[in-house]
Amino acid sequence: DAKTTQPTSMDCAEGRAANLPCNHSTISGNEYVYWYRQIHSQGPQYIIHGLKNNETNEMASLIITEDRKSSTLILPHATLRDTAVYYCIVRVGSGGGADGLTFGKGTHLIIQP
Amino acid sequence: DSGVTQTPKHLITATGQRVTLRCSPRSGDLSVYWYQQSLDQGLQFLIQYYNGEERAKGNILERFSAQQFPDLHSELNLSSLELGDSALYFCASSVASGLETGELFFGEGSRLTVL
Repeated sequence: DAKTTQPTSMDCAEGRAANLPCNHSTISGNEYVYWYRQIHSQGPQYIIHGLKNNETNEMASLIITEDRKSSTLILPHATLRDTAVYYCIVRVGSGGGADGLTFGKGTHLIIQP
Repeated sequence: DSGVTQTPKHLITATGQRVTLRCSPRSGDLSVYWYQQSLDQGLQFLIQYYNGEERAKGNILERFSAQQFPDLHSELNLSSLELGDSALYFCASSVASGLETGELFFGEGSRLTVL
């Protein structure tokens, strides 16, 4: 699986958009970008995933650069409940890879009131 | 609520002992994954079962073992416990054997403290 690089921590004001970057310069053509988050000591929660195109769901948007070497997770209107560690994970997605996700250290996002 | 149930939530035991952690996956999910999260190691994938069969192994110690039963619940057995085994143990489930849907559903974890 391709390695990812994320900032250790970020701050964002409540109500503003939180933009979390992830570098994955060694990503392969069949590898997806997944985002999960973990609120203090709770189980990780799936947010979104994508291959090439930008994706949006009720929680967030995922913007993947054209060369796929980096991506940005966008929380459009951050709330205090969004304070969590956010993990960017790159791995083979559908069609194979019967193993678990490899979580790195992630970005600790702190939403400031 | 993810629909994944883990018991017990907290467990305190002594070195050398053996414990069993239990996981009930979401209704309809065939895959169960076990993860360990300690302060210095982060989230580590241990093992995956799909419909009763072992599918993938991660960083699981030989002192640890797991199984998935016909009703699809899973148990993680930890034996000859050491202080370093103190951690949060998470179970996750998914519909398929791989990550076709992209989503694993995690339980709330079992916190093991070894004294």
